[in-house]
Amino acid sequence: TQLLEQSPQFLSIQEGENLTVYCNSSSVFSSLQWYRQEPGEGPVLLVTVVTGGEVKKLKRLTFQFGDARKDSSLHITAAQPGDTGLYLCAGGAGGTSYGKLTFGQGTILTVHP
Amino acid sequence: DAEITQSPRHKITETGRQVTLACHQTWNHNNMFWYRQDLGHGLRLIHYSYGVQDTNKGEVSDGYSVSRSNTEDLPLTLESAASSQTSVYFCASSEWTGYADEQFFGPGTRLTVL
Repeated sequence: TQLLEQSPQFLSIQEGENLTVYCNSSSVFSSLQWYRQEPGEGPVLLVTVVTGGEVKKLKRLTFQFGDARKDSSLHITAAQPGDTGLYLCAGGAGGTSYGKLTFGQGTILTVHP
Repeated sequence: DAEITQSPRHKITETGRQVTLACHQTWNHNNMFWYRQDLGHGLRLIHYSYGVQDTNKGEVSDGYSVSRSNTEDLPLTLESAASSQTSVYFCASSEWTGYADEQFFGPGTRLTVL
C-alpha cells in the first residue's frame, strides 16, 4: 500500500510570511498533484508534476517534484489571507492503478491578516 | 460548462437505514471515484469505476456499494448505515491529460448517521 505523509498538519502564519508544505513517501509515483480545498467545497487541482526534479510555479506558489519521484513540496511566498485552506498532495501510481490517486492527510493553512 | 454534481448536499439518517448518495458528471469521463474525508485521514477511496458496468473496491469499501449503468452517474449506496459512516463524501471523475490523470471533484455530501 502506497502512503503519502504530509507535513505539517497545521500551519498558522501571518500575512507576508513564507511557508513550505512537504509530501513524502517511500514509494515512487508517476505523477504528483496538489489540490486546494476550501470549507464546504471539493478539492480543486492546482498543479500536476510528472518529471523527477520538475519545478512549476503558479504565481506565488512553487511546486517541486523530488528527483526520485518519491516526494514533493509546495512553497508559498508572501502568504495572503486568501491562501487559507486545506492543501492536499496526491500521488498517481500509473500502471494497473491508473486513474487512482493516493492522498496525503492534508495541511490546514491559516494566514492571519 | 461541464461539471460534477452531488446530491443531497446534507443528509441525516438513522443507524440501519439504506442511504444512496448521487453523483452526476457532464465531463463525459470514463473514470469515476467515491471518497470519504475525515479529519486526519485526508481522502480515502471507497469505490471506483473505469466505465459502464465496471466497479472496483477501494481501501475502505466495507458497507458501501456502487453501480455504473451509464457514463454520467455513479451512485453510492450505504446498505445499512452505521455511525462510523458519518463523514463527508466526495465524488470525482478523471481524464487522462496525456501525462497524468487529473481528478475533478464534486462539492461533497455531508452525511450524519444517528
